[in-house]
Amino acid sequence: GAVVSQHPSWVICKSGTSVKIECRSLDFQATTMFWYRQFPKQSLMLMATSNEGSKATYEQGVEKDKFLINHASLTLSTLTVTSAHPEDSSFYICSAALGQGSNNSPLHFGNGTRLTVT
Amino acid sequence: AQKVTQAQTEISVVEKEDVTLDCVYETRDTTYYLFWYKQPPSGELVFLIRRNSFDEQNEISGRYSWNFQKSTSSFNFTITASQVVDSAVYFCAWGIQGAQKLVFGQGTRLTINP
Repeated sequence: GAVVSQHPSWVICKSGTSVKIECRSLDFQATTMFWYRQFPKQSLMLMATSNEGSKATYEQGVEKDKFLINHASLTLSTLTVTSAHPEDSSFYICSAALGQGSNNSPLHFGNGTRLTVT
Repeated sequence: AQKVTQAQTEISVVEKEDVTLDCVYETRDTTYYLFWYKQPPSGELVFLIRRNSFDEQNEISGRYSWNFQKSTSSFNFTITASQVVDSAVYFCAWGIQGAQKLVFGQGTRLTINP
């Protein structure tokens, strides 16, 4: 069964509004989660690393004020796309590792959220 | 910087054919991990395999097999006797020790025709 749950699966919003995406680790604690973005027919690009109890680490070129990340608990990280614009339309997917630094567990990915901004 | 290259953008074969998806990586790290993921049309990423840099043994899992060669920095994936259900985008990825933060290749869209 799924070990990382992502919600919602898809969302359509109007330009200028904000959208929150949740990523939950099921049955395990994830001190670190990762947020990726995938444009149509393109690869996954890491946006940011979400750290429980501290500020997220953003990749170069990703606006931290636009993509707000909150990792308030060991099982939940949220990504809020603020003042969304059509160019933010993409597939957002999160991942979490089963135990920080574990060498025996693969990354688990959520099912992704397809965001469409009209 | 680390880089993963999947030179084959799209591959189309007839069912039951064998098909190999290529993956070449670049890194200066001595300890790293390599992955393959399958992404069906529904979008989720399905984990297929993880291999660490010290383990060059080839692996076979059913119709799937992987060939890891450090000498050529390649981690190729072969599907034997392909089936229509194998149609998906396949991603090769590289991760640092702890294997939590991944660098993905561009993906190969595989279409298996009946």
